[in-house]
Amino acid sequence: DTAVSQTPKYLVTQMGNDKSIKCEQNLGHDTMYWYKQDSKKFLKIMFSYNNKELIINETVPNRFSPKSPDKAHLNLHINSLELGDSAVYFCASSPEAREWTYEQYFGPGTRLTVT
Amino acid sequence: GQNIDQPTEMTATEGAIVQINCTYQTSGFNGLFWYQQHAGEAPTFLSYNVLDGLEEKGRFSSFLSRSKGYSYLLLKELQMKDSASYLCAATDSNYQLIWGAGTKLIIKP
Repeated sequence: DTAVSQTPKYLVTQMGNDKSIKCEQNLGHDTMYWYKQDSKKFLKIMFSYNNKELIINETVPNRFSPKSPDKAHLNLHINSLELGDSAVYFCASSPEAREWTYEQYFGPGTRLTVT
Repeated sequence: GQNIDQPTEMTATEGAIVQINCTYQTSGFNGLFWYQQHAGEAPTFLSYNVLDGLEEKGRFSSFLSRSKGYSYLLLKELQMKDSASYLCAATDSNYQLIWGAGTKLIIKP
């Protein structure tokens, strides 16, 4: 009965590889997010989808491509991985992006290490 | 530009009270969140303020002054389990949260 789940929890891979991280929420929320948290602990928004539609697309390399097959899933695909991509990636969801009062529910995170 | 400032680290004693400050600068403002993040875990929601004043929730309270661009999180009767990072995040006019780097709170016995 996990609210927001991500797989895998840990991902170790070599530079140049392509990898995907999956996220699913069973809360019935309309909006999902991808965040990157680097070693300095800054949480940086990468993407946001509302009902499968992209609403936030921050300045991230186009090697990162989100995909939302339905409103309960938001996957992140990363091409040609680089050392600087090493970080913890959090998926989150909230009932509605344009309702300011709604909190976000975070998944457990995926720790990506690129060697 | 948009900016959130909070202290990097604070230390307090078990049973005491601690106040974690946050100042923000955003284009548009629609409220301020506080989240708690234990090491190696996901952030979890603590509080939301949109109007000036103090919101109390058990041992935790959060204060907001919109005119000063300032908020604080007050933790009372500190317990060892309160050792965590506390993240301040302000909403902007673009439907997103601007996050601070977090304040690492260390509780000593």
